[in-house]
Amino acid sequence: DAGVTQSPTHLIKTRGQHVTLRCSPISGHKSVSWYQQVLGQGPQFIFQYYEKEERGRGNFPDRFSARQFPNYSSELNVNALLLGDSALYLCASSLVVGGATGELFFGEGSRLTVL
Amino acid sequence: GNSVTQMEGPVTLSEEAFLTINCTYTATGYPSLFWYVQYPGEGLQLLLKATKADDKGSNKGFEATYRKETTSFHLEKGSVQVSDSAVYFCALRVPGSSYKLIFGSGTRLLVRP
Repeated sequence: DAGVTQSPTHLIKTRGQHVTLRCSPISGHKSVSWYQQVLGQGPQFIFQYYEKEERGRGNFPDRFSARQFPNYSSELNVNALLLGDSALYLCASSLVVGGATGELFFGEGSRLTVL
Repeated sequence: GNSVTQMEGPVTLSEEAFLTINCTYTATGYPSLFWYVQYPGEGLQLLLKATKADDKGSNKGFEATYRKETTSFHLEKGSVQVSDSAVYFCALRVPGSSYKLIFGSGTRLLVRP
């Protein structure tokens, strides 16, 4: 079975542009989360979606938005890119949204470079 | 607030050496604790977890014990291999926060033959 897939794997943008990153969860998983991993740091939570509804949002500006589609895939959009948005963006899927013991399955990430 | 602190790396060891990577946390309530590993060019993978005090998580020879009295979740392995070279992340999830994970900054492990 395919794991979490993300596209594109690498991309380069310039300041002020916008970017759309895509994620397909593991088959049967209904929840998708997005994390930002700046070089040398741990991942930071951006969003969680479950059944197409936003269930959690991290401390990121409104330039960051996301949505989940009926097939449970998801997009992360970032507008008005800043140099500081350069990072690895990780998508993770899970079967359900709650519970203390469940596992998140991560994709390999989309590496965004903003020049 | 909730946070995770890990020892800074890189940690460089010879094959078959003993490994300890320290992790301490600050959290409200009773969090679940996790270790994730990131091999070069790959996504994060769950290595082990513990959901309550005194639980021991283990996998692939790695172990970590949830110590509430010291708010710690140190990762240990008795004999490391070259293939264990990776970045290790300690993380917590606070009850009621759905699946939001709070990660430490990561510790890079390099094992030399």
